[in-house]
Amino acid sequence: EAQVTQNPRYLITVTGKKLTVTCSQNMNHEYMSWYRQDPGLGLRQIYYSMNVEVTDKGDVPEGYKVSRKEKRNFPLILESPSPNQTSLYFCASSWSVNYGYTFGSGTRLTVV
Amino acid sequence: SQQGEEDPQALSIQEGENATMNCSYKTSINNLQWYRQNSGRGLVHLILIRSNEREKHSGRLRVTLDTSKKSSSLLITASRAADTASYFCATVRNAGNMLTFGGGTRLMVKP
Repeated sequence: EAQVTQNPRYLITVTGKKLTVTCSQNMNHEYMSWYRQDPGLGLRQIYYSMNVEVTDKGDVPEGYKVSRKEKRNFPLILESPSPNQTSLYFCASSWSVNYGYTFGSGTRLTVV
Repeated sequence: SQQGEEDPQALSIQEGENATMNCSYKTSINNLQWYRQNSGRGLVHLILIRSNEREKHSGRLRVTLDTSKKSSSLLITASRAADTASYFCATVRNAGNMLTFGGGTRLMVKP
């Protein structure tokens, strides 16, 4: 089944403890992206990648890192999480930005 | 920054009625996409309309695009309770590499 898989689904962590949210897609998509969704603010793009080793900042990249060493994986790294990064995170992939995206099921992160 | 803004923010209708949601955006676009999200879950791509297209259909969905007014509408005909969800428009700017979402419309279809 064609899908984007995120892990974990739920995560509670403490301020400053580094964490990684994994994202993997099995559709051979070139384009991958991370979003965060917050009440009243909608979905905002954090980072995107147009291909292996090519990443770029979205609208809200501060406090996040990404890497794209392989086509299928696009992990989101929070080096020193803070409470304002408490959010619902989505990974998405596509053939390109001009095609529909396939979204993962989301990761609900709480930073205390 | 949000490129698209949906209207209304919330819509409540009876099963069988049609639902119309509107989206306005600010800059020239390459394409506009509509997505559905059931509560707290991942978004599902519904339909994509390119800037040189004016109307597109997919099942009970009809999307129109008016680039002169920088607006789009999503019509869901003969709505069902299962259509209850949030609907988002998203745009890709000309020569852009990002898909930018609007704030969404919450649709409730009452049985």
